[in-house]
Amino acid sequence: ETGVTQTPRHLVMGMTNKKSLKCEQHLGHNAMYWYKQSAKKPLELMFVYSLEERVENNSVPSRFSPECPNSSHLFLHLHTLQPEDSALYLCASSQERGSGANVLTFGAGSRLTVL
Amino acid sequence: GQNIDQPTEMTATEGAIVQINCTYQTSGFNGLFWYQQHAGEAPTFLSYNVLDGLEEKGRFSSFLSRSKGYSYLLLKELQMKDSASYLCADMDSNYQLIWGAGTKLIIKP
Repeated sequence: ETGVTQTPRHLVMGMTNKKSLKCEQHLGHNAMYWYKQSAKKPLELMFVYSLEERVENNSVPSRFSPECPNSSHLFLHLHTLQPEDSALYLCASSQERGSGANVLTFGAGSRLTVL
Repeated sequence: GQNIDQPTEMTATEGAIVQINCTYQTSGFNGLFWYQQHAGEAPTFLSYNVLDGLEEKGRFSSFLSRSKGYSYLLLKELQMKDSASYLCADMDSNYQLIWGAGTKLIIKP
């Protein structure tokens, strides 16, 4: 399997639930990202990992907790979410971070609905 | 400040040509990207411009003018499968991507 794979594709959860989103890349990339995509809004960068070390956390609420156990896997742990957190969560990877032609390869996303 | 502007939606006819514009006002500049995103799918990379001028890649071309903070994506010989959202993003001085909200392109027969 190649590319960036995200599971689950769809998730419905209550505000008191705990769930996790999973991302896996088979491209040998060193950087991985979590983005939030809401309708008619720009992509919002949430977290960046470079060589398994978190290098950016863009003021994301603590109810979102990322984990990067190795360079191929990235998780987003979710707990006590709010309805406004409903969105498409995209994972991406790139060869490295901090260079000009830094092309991102995205997964198809996890569509999250918080009731 | 950092801001990317692109039209929300455009409509074009199959076989025609369409130009999607993008303007940016970013502190520092390290290149301009275009991505395509079909509904329910992953965004995919289309083009990267860091120097002024036109880059042609098959039916798609991308243009950049750094002095004007302006780029466009040109799609020729439109096909129904080109119906998608087109995302413009520029890379700032910290190599962080600043994204536009995307342009939804609707192709009609």
